[in-house]
Amino acid sequence: EDQVTQSPEALRLQEGESSSLNCSYTVSGLRGLFWYRQDPGKGPEFLFTLYSAGEEKEKERLKATLTKKESFLHITAPKPEDSATYLCAVHPPSNTGKLIFGQGTTLQVKP
Amino acid sequence: DTAVSQTPKYLVTQMGNDKSIKCEQNLGHDTMYWYKQDSKKFLKIMFSYNNKELIINETVPNRFSPKSPDKAHLNLHINSLELGDSAVYFCASSQVEEGPQHFGDGTRLSIL
Repeated sequence: EDQVTQSPEALRLQEGESSSLNCSYTVSGLRGLFWYRQDPGKGPEFLFTLYSAGEEKEKERLKATLTKKESFLHITAPKPEDSATYLCAVHPPSNTGKLIFGQGTTLQVKP
Repeated sequence: DTAVSQTPKYLVTQMGNDKSIKCEQNLGHDTMYWYKQDSKKFLKIMFSYNNKELIINETVPNRFSPKSPDKAHLNLHINSLELGDSAVYFCASSQVEEGPQHFGDGTRLSIL
């Protein structure tokens, strides 16, 4: 069964303390891996798409990487405004348009 | 200039009632989706439509009926609401079925 697991469930960092979030998946024939940010009371906001192992994408303090079994979201020198829930989702080959989401990592960055 | 908009934002109603949630996107996308996010924040797809045609229909009770009058709108009607239907429902759209999906801000449904 296609599955996405994110770790840790919650992460507390001090401002400026870099770290990484993990997303592991059991999907054969991946057709895309997506990272989203969700703020309380809002919908998920699209961050990155990765399609093949070795691919990397960057946006400000965030960098997403992809291997054959997992993806990492690296956060460099985070600021309090980076506090949010980060969701990972995969697009399996079997169902067109269907995204399978992980349960998310809730990040809190303290000043 | 909201991209994906849902109404209402909050919906509080009694068990057994029938209610609808509306979704509109102004991105010119061909595909639209409904997701349910439970109390543990887990997002699960319910339906998807491509240019008014139903593409995905996950294992959802037939009390839930999506309707797409045109490719910019996808509404969700729910009959005979149950306590377990309490959740946040998100609408999303994408340019192509394999592309990134853009979400609305959700409708929080609470059943009393």
